Amino acid sequence: ETGVTQTPRHLVMGMTNKKSLKCEQHLGHNAMYWYKQSAKKPLELMFVYSLEERVENNSVPSRFSPECPNSSHLFLHLHTLQPEDSALYLCASNEDRNTGELFFGEGSRLTVL
Amino acid sequence: DAKTTQPPSMDCAEGRAANLPCNHSTISGNEYVYWYRQIHSQGPQYIIHGLKNNETNEMASLIITEDRKSSTLILPHATLRDTAVYYCIVRVKPGTYKYIFGTGTRLKVLA
Repeated sequence: ETGVTQTPRHLVMGMTNKKSLKCEQHLGHNAMYWYKQSAKKPLELMFVYSLEERVENNSVPSRFSPECPNSSHLFLHLHTLQPEDSALYLCASNEDRNTGELFFGEGSRLTVL
Repeated sequence: DAKTTQPPSMDCAEGRAANLPCNHSTISGNEYVYWYRQIHSQGPQYIIHGLKNNETNEMASLIITEDRKSSTLILPHATLRDTAVYYCIVRVKPGTYKYIFGTGTRLKVLA
């Protein structure tokens, strides 16, 4: 138990569906991250929020839409995805003012049909 | 952030020390070295970090060369549960958010 909870753990969706991934951290951290991990590839940083403000947006297609309503919650809204978007989506948080180590959730395994 | 280079895979006998190398020859003076590991299909887990001095915690030891261009993560008595992908990352602490993960080293601990 890392203090970062992701739901759902598994999601199957069609290309025309709209779904959302949720991340909640119980650690009092000030920054939250979304990473994508495709099969046999390194983690790719997608978005970073610090104090609820987006500070990184790494050329991610607009079919991925992040939302950070408060410092404990982070969402990734998904719409009109492609099969190549199938991957493990990992949420992480840290307290960037201190040592800054990332705490990851267990991930949401997404399959796009 | 500086780039890191790690061997793609290593094997280690159970109970022996696992020494995982990382090259970061372009590291800047204010960049720290962080190590994480990822056990199959789980989220990465923080192991240790350091700037100049060697560091040790309950999980591992981190040895950084005097010129800081390379480091070694040491798992003193590897177990089967240490089988994972190990990532070496350098970043400025604090204040930057670009935690960039490379391909890491796939460590296999053999019984």
